[in-house]
Amino acid sequence: GAGVSQSPSNKVTEKGKDVELRCDPISGHTALYWYRQSLGQGLEFLIYFQGNSAPDKSGLPSDRFSAERTGGSVSTLTIQRTQQEDSAVYLCASSSDRYTGNTIYFGEGSWLTVV
Amino acid sequence: AQSVTQPDIHITVSEGASLELRCNYSYGATPYLFWYVQSPGQGLQLLLKYFSGDTLVQGIKGFEAEFKRSQSSFNLRKPSVHWSDAAEYFCAVGAPKAAGNKLTFGGGTRVLVKP
Repeated sequence: GAGVSQSPSNKVTEKGKDVELRCDPISGHTALYWYRQSLGQGLEFLIYFQGNSAPDKSGLPSDRFSAERTGGSVSTLTIQRTQQEDSAVYLCASSSDRYTGNTIYFGEGSWLTVV
Repeated sequence: AQSVTQPDIHITVSEGASLELRCNYSYGATPYLFWYVQSPGQGLQLLLKYFSGDTLVQGIKGFEAEFKRSQSSFNLRKPSVHWSDAAEYFCAVGAPKAAGNKLTFGGGTRVLVKP
């Protein structure tokens, strides 16, 4: 499709398990972002990738969270040893370049529930 | 640090009535300002954005927003609401021309439309 694609759309996992969330950005978009949307916290920036530059990880809440982007396209967000407070919608987004003002296109999100 | 406040968590409006959603921001200068809409089960869609110039900005779906520097506000309006406007609306700010395109979002306002 033409938009940002995320999988899975829903994931239920047991506390302590690892999860991987996948994002396929819009073709040709060099910038890719992960945001987290949780009750009471709104939308929080997690991490941002731009081309081959080192990612901006300043929003990752703990070292249990990591992300990679392979070949400048698909990205995977990994949460290790999940906790209940990790339950949220994880939104991936992409834009044509990295400068503020370029429209950011969001995917529909991956809804994570940790039980 | 930049921040965004959306004072109204919920707003209920009758179909055909006007709608105004409030957004106040904190930033050292004039930021880039955005309004996004999130329909149930959907990702965020950009409604409009303000960078500079004319303080009244037109967006998609009949929405407009007005930037008021003296009030640090960027309120969203629609003259006549349709049932399909029921959604959650997010105001966001970004640093002008900053690399990274990190946006800071408000907590959102959920709009319910009565028939």
